[in-house]
Amino acid sequence: AQTVTQSQPEMSVQEAETVTLSCTYDTSENNYYLFWYKQPPSRQMILVIRQEAYKQQNATENRFSVNFQKAAKSFSLKISDSQLGDTAMYFCAFMKLLNSGNTPLVFGKGTRLSVIA
Amino acid sequence: GAGVSQSPSNKVTEKGKDVELRCDPISGHTALYWYRQSLGQGLEFLIYFQGNSAPDKSGLPSDRFSAERTGGSVSTLTIQRTQQEDSAVYLCASSLKSSAGRAFFGQGTRLTVV
Repeated sequence: AQTVTQSQPEMSVQEAETVTLSCTYDTSENNYYLFWYKQPPSRQMILVIRQEAYKQQNATENRFSVNFQKAAKSFSLKISDSQLGDTAMYFCAFMKLLNSGNTPLVFGKGTRLSVIA
Repeated sequence: GAGVSQSPSNKVTEKGKDVELRCDPISGHTALYWYRQSLGQGLEFLIYFQGNSAPDKSGLPSDRFSAERTGGSVSTLTIQRTQQEDSAVYLCASSLKSSAGRAFFGQGTRLTVV
């Protein structure tokens, strides 16, 4: 079974600064995806960024980037130029990939990020 | 609609009553997932539907929980004889069969058992 661990229950950052959220995972699979989801107070989960395990290059989406260390099973999220709208719960998630398609996501317990003006 | 729709948005029920939660996935999405999010916890997988295949029910916590997906579209999660520990936000998500994991979530149903 896969597990995802987020060791930082809460974090805060000043507006315009950079913050890194940590995530580690445990799996014996070789074919998988990793994700960061954002959950604002509206409760709706929003996909922030996605990384394919077979790709060595770290994924980037505008101000969001990841540091994917496959051997260490580490997948951290870096938010640059933090904005007040980034305030939310952030969840790291793992998905095993099968030939038959997607499988259910396995989530960490989340990190509550507060961006301070 | 354009997104995943869940109803009701909030539900308060008395202990011992049955409840039904509804999920309307994005049109054309063959995969549908139910998750439960308890206070301060991550998302716990409940059940997964993929096309006409038998659903993956491995996450259902007890036999009081069941789910159906009719016509490959709308899904209903039913909780029988609700208990206080069932209080949580129930989230539904849908995706294309092979969308590289890109799942779209609804806004969830907050269930409170009193």
